[in-house]
Amino acid sequence: GESVGLHLPTLSVQEGDNSIINCAYSNSASDYFIWYKQESGKGPQFIIDIRSNMDKRQGQRVTVLLNKTVKHLSLQIAATQPGDSAVYFCAVPGGGGSYIPTFGRGTSLIVHP
Amino acid sequence: GAVVSQHPSWVICKSGTSVKIECRSLDFQATTMFWYRQFPKQSLMLMATSNEGSKATYEQGVEKDKFLINHASLTLSTLTVTSAHPEDSSFYICSALDDEQFFGPGTRLTVL
Repeated sequence: GESVGLHLPTLSVQEGDNSIINCAYSNSASDYFIWYKQESGKGPQFIIDIRSNMDKRQGQRVTVLLNKTVKHLSLQIAATQPGDSAVYFCAVPGGGGSYIPTFGRGTSLIVHP
Repeated sequence: GAVVSQHPSWVICKSGTSVKIECRSLDFQATTMFWYRQFPKQSLMLMATSNEGSKATYEQGVEKDKFLINHASLTLSTLTVTSAHPEDSSFYICSALDDEQFFGPGTRLTVL
């Protein structure tokens, strides 16, 4: 099955810094990747996604980079704000046409004012 | 984006009792909904896929007789934790599938 993992369980940054959250996946056939943000006591919230035919996609203050060669993706948050403090998950929908994502372990982002 | 609600947002019950959690898609119809469980400082684990008008599909290791799922309409799925025990205490999250997955806010279950 799909194995999705994150390199760091906790990331502490200062307000205004850029944050980079990493994720590794194991299935080279994976073609769609999603980043979610989960604030304490709430459900996951979609942030950004990327398909395997792209290596970069930008949103508002967020950028996702995909390196299919090493099966790695990252989420970059520019000018991190206290409101960005949350747990971030990468998720990879299953293969064989399944859209059910497998969630990674999660990285807790702590933004210090 | 689409909105998914859950009720209740938190519940405390005694061991041995049953608890029902509702998941509603508020502004769209969802043939498929999903139920997840999340323990503290852990990731979301898929419990089951709820299909409107048919039986739910449970993930390996999830007891279907303990976690009863009913998806009687296109906007409502319910999860009933039967004979709850303290180890069932967790954060239960549902999601509904539209063009993408939309997650509910979660239900915190504490079994005493």
